[in-house]
Amino acid sequence: DAKTTQPNSMESNEEEPVHLPCNHSTISGTDYIHWYRQLPSQGPEYVIHGLTSNVNNRMASLAIAEDRKSSTLILHRATLRDAAVYYCILREISNFGNEKLTFGTGTRLTIIP
Amino acid sequence: EAGVAQSPRYKIIEKRQSVAFWCNPISGHATLYWYQQILGQGPKLLIQFQNNGVVDDSQLPKDRFSAERLKGVDSTLKIQPAKLEDSAVYLCASSLFAGLSSGANVLTFGAGSRLTVL
Repeated sequence: DAKTTQPNSMESNEEEPVHLPCNHSTISGTDYIHWYRQLPSQGPEYVIHGLTSNVNNRMASLAIAEDRKSSTLILHRATLRDAAVYYCILREISNFGNEKLTFGTGTRLTIIP
Repeated sequence: EAGVAQSPRYKIIEKRQSVAFWCNPISGHATLYWYQQILGQGPKLLIQFQNNGVVDDSQLPKDRFSAERLKGVDSTLKIQPAKLEDSAVYLCASSLFAGLSSGANVLTFGAGSRLTVL
C-alpha cells in the first residue's frame, strides 16, 4: 500500500489559516490524493481530492507539490468546528483492480479559541 | 439526501458471543465498504462490495468475520465468535462508482457501530 506521512498533531488559533502537511514520496502517476477528516464520535467525511493541480472547494484548498511527493491541506480560517483528525490518503488501484483508500493515523488538529 | 445508516450504534458482548451489524447505504451507490477502526488508529478496510459482489476481502479475518450484501443494497457484517481484540468501531461507507480514471470516488461514511467485547 502506498504510504503517507503526517504529523501526529497540530494546533492552530481560531480564525487563522491552517496548513496541514502530508508526504507521499512513493506516489505513483495514477494515485489521487484524497483528504478526509473525522470529527469526534463520527465517521470520516470527505474534504477534497486532487491529482496534479491545486484544488479549491468550499471546505478547503489542496496544494500539491510539482513532483507530487507532498501536499498541503489549507483551511483558510479555522473555526472550533474544524477540530478533528485529518487523514491524507492515496487513492490507489489495488491488485484486485478496485479503488482502495488506505487510512493512516492522521493529524489531530486542535483549535485554540 | 439521506446518509449512510448503521445499527446498532453501540453493542457490548462477551467474548465468544456473536454480533451482527447492519448498513443501509445511500440510494444508488454501487460500492459499499466495511472498515474497522480501533481506538487511536485510522480506519482499516475489511471488505469492499461492488453491487452484490465482493471485490476485496483480503483483510477480512474469514475464520470469524463474514459479510454479505444481498440484492446489492443493504449489508450485514457478522462476527462469530468475538474476541477481545475485535473491540472497535465498525464503519460502513458507500460511494457512487465514478470509474477508475476519475479519482473522484468519494466515500460517504455512516456514524459507525461501536463494539465492546468483554
